Amino acid sequence: GAVVSQHPSRVICKSGTSVKIECRSLDFQATTMFWYRQFPKQSLMLMATSNEGSKATYEQGVEKDKFLINHASLTLSTLTVTSAHPEDSSFYICSARGKQGAAETQYFGPGTRLLVL
Amino acid sequence: QKEVEQNSGPLSVPEGAIASLNCTYSDRGSQSFFWYRQYSGKSPELIMFIYSNGDKEDGRFTAQLNKASQYVSLLIRDSQPSDSATYLCAVWAGRRALTFGSGTRLQVQP
Repeated sequence: GAVVSQHPSRVICKSGTSVKIECRSLDFQATTMFWYRQFPKQSLMLMATSNEGSKATYEQGVEKDKFLINHASLTLSTLTVTSAHPEDSSFYICSARGKQGAAETQYFGPGTRLLVL
Repeated sequence: QKEVEQNSGPLSVPEGAIASLNCTYSDRGSQSFFWYRQYSGKSPELIMFIYSNGDKEDGRFTAQLNKASQYVSLLIRDSQPSDSATYLCAVWAGRRALTFGSGTRLQVQP
């Protein structure tokens, strides 16, 4: 299966700081990348969808000025949590969709656990 | 009605048995169907995807799709305690993102 990497895997920061999370598809070109958030014992929540070179599309209720997404290439997307607050503490997971052979499929990165103090 | 429905479980099976996980979906235009496994505290891991009616086998896993009944299932043969996890069914109908079920928690008893 394809590999999607995410960095960092864990980050602890002070309230008010910004945190950047990188997501890379390592062995396939991702036509679309997705960012999810997951709170403990809850379902995945889609935050936004991004295509290479275009603005991200945010889900209802997700602040685009707070969660900045950049999709610079077919293998790299970044999520920046600006002015993070304790309520932003969560598990952030990126996901990349692309073609493997004839099939289009979607893989998840390992996730980034964010703790805002 | 939810777009993708799964029984939340827990589904408990003894080690060595067959675990059967089921999923129904509402959008008849759905094209692709995915099963992910998620261990507690980890991100989802793709197990299988299926596009055509019928069965698709990969090792101990078999995905079954019946588009007429809008039903997709995952069978796990020779279940192991390490298979204990939450299994997420996801459906793609050609829109931007996958639609996920809420997941079925599987417990394999040693």
